[in-house]
Amino acid sequence: DSGVTQTPKHLITATGQRVTLRCSPRSGDLSVYWYQQSLDQGLQFLIQYYNGEERAKGNILERFSAQQFPDLHSELNLSSLELGDSALYFCASSPRQGKLYEQYFGPGTRLTVT
Amino acid sequence: GENVEQHPSTLSVQEGDSAVIKCTYSDSASNYFPWYKQELGKRPQLIIDIRSNVGEKKDQRIAVTLNKTAKHFSLHITETQPEDSAVYFCAASKTGGYNKLIFGAGTRLAVHP
Repeated sequence: DSGVTQTPKHLITATGQRVTLRCSPRSGDLSVYWYQQSLDQGLQFLIQYYNGEERAKGNILERFSAQQFPDLHSELNLSSLELGDSALYFCASSPRQGKLYEQYFGPGTRLTVT
Repeated sequence: GENVEQHPSTLSVQEGDSAVIKCTYSDSASNYFPWYKQELGKRPQLIIDIRSNVGEKKDQRIAVTLNKTAKHFSLHITETQPEDSAVYFCAASKTGGYNKLIFGAGTRLAVHP
């Protein structure tokens, strides 16, 4: 157990819908990262937040958005869902001191779009 | 752009043999190279990492080597056991705070008893 929590574990929804994935980082961690893992694209970085502010953006679609709240939990919002959005979505967090670059992953949310 | 290539994509060994997985990165500014192990349906788990100021790091049966000049790094697992069977991912990153991980495509390791 990495200490990073994600809800829900599984999500099944229809095309065109909108969903919200939630992540709570390890206690005290300020950085949260979101990654998408699909069979054909592997593990892809989506976005990073640090203490409530967006820090880096990767291959995140315009239909996707994220935010980090004052209590440091983060939410990833996926809208106008397409079949190709079906994937495992992981969040990770980094320590606020010491090895700031180490990332610890949560258990993931499996999204199935039908 | 930033890219990490990983080979082989699959690796099958007998229990007790060694396994080696190799990665090449493109961004010369990368200075942090973690390896993750992912079992089916589970989260990627950090198993070992190396920073660019070090050429080799060892932790029990696993070791990682880095050749900065060639932009290569490798994972070595000795005395493999069936529980080592998983998908292994290499990644490259920078340590400056904007440290997104660029992952390789993964290596599926099967250790046969």
